[in-house]
Amino acid sequence: EPEVTQTPSHQVTQMGQEVILRCVPISNHLYFYWYRQILGQKVEFLVSFYNNEISEKSEIFDDQFSVERPDGSNFTLKIRSTKLEDSAMYFCASMPSSGQETQYFGPGTRLLVL
Amino acid sequence: SQQGEEDPQALSIQEGENATMNCSYKTSINNLQWYRQNSGRGLVHLILIRSNEREKHSGRLRVTLDTSKKSSSLLITASRAADTASYFCVLRGSSYKLIFGSGTRLLVRP
Repeated sequence: EPEVTQTPSHQVTQMGQEVILRCVPISNHLYFYWYRQILGQKVEFLVSFYNNEISEKSEIFDDQFSVERPDGSNFTLKIRSTKLEDSAMYFCASMPSSGQETQYFGPGTRLLVL
Repeated sequence: SQQGEEDPQALSIQEGENATMNCSYKTSINNLQWYRQNSGRGLVHLILIRSNEREKHSGRLRVTLDTSKKSSSLLITASRAADTASYFCVLRGSSYKLIFGSGTRLLVRP
């Protein structure tokens, strides 16, 4: 069964460094999302992406964050200058179409900012 | 707020018993979904119920929806130790984003 994959599974970085989290959504899916979950807290929406552009972003998704779908398969989340509070589990999700509203989540990348 | 709120926050039952988790929400909805998460790992979609549906089944799962009371429940019958996880009631927001509640942590004791 097709699944969303994410790399790396874990990333440790120093504050101020740039990180790129990678996701390969399920092929033929059209809608793409990033969510994050700080340890012990709720899963929070970051950004949605459709038709090669951001459809919506949350207040968390400030100028330090960006997303890209460079080659039609990968979907990346970049954090330009990481802060301690960016430490979280980051989940990528994809959805086939607007008529099928199930989102399929990847296993997550655990980011630790020191 | 647009999110669902699950109740109870935590539930501990014996293997073989049924587990019932409830969700209340405040806004009008098109559908409501339940997701499961094992120990802070990936999120797995369990079931989606549309606003014009009252009940839906999937294997050992039964979901009900009462739009007049703005509530939903998830019943897991004949629970197994492997059902131990957090269960989230999830609403759909704009651009189809998902809005998660705090979840119910279910522990099934062998």
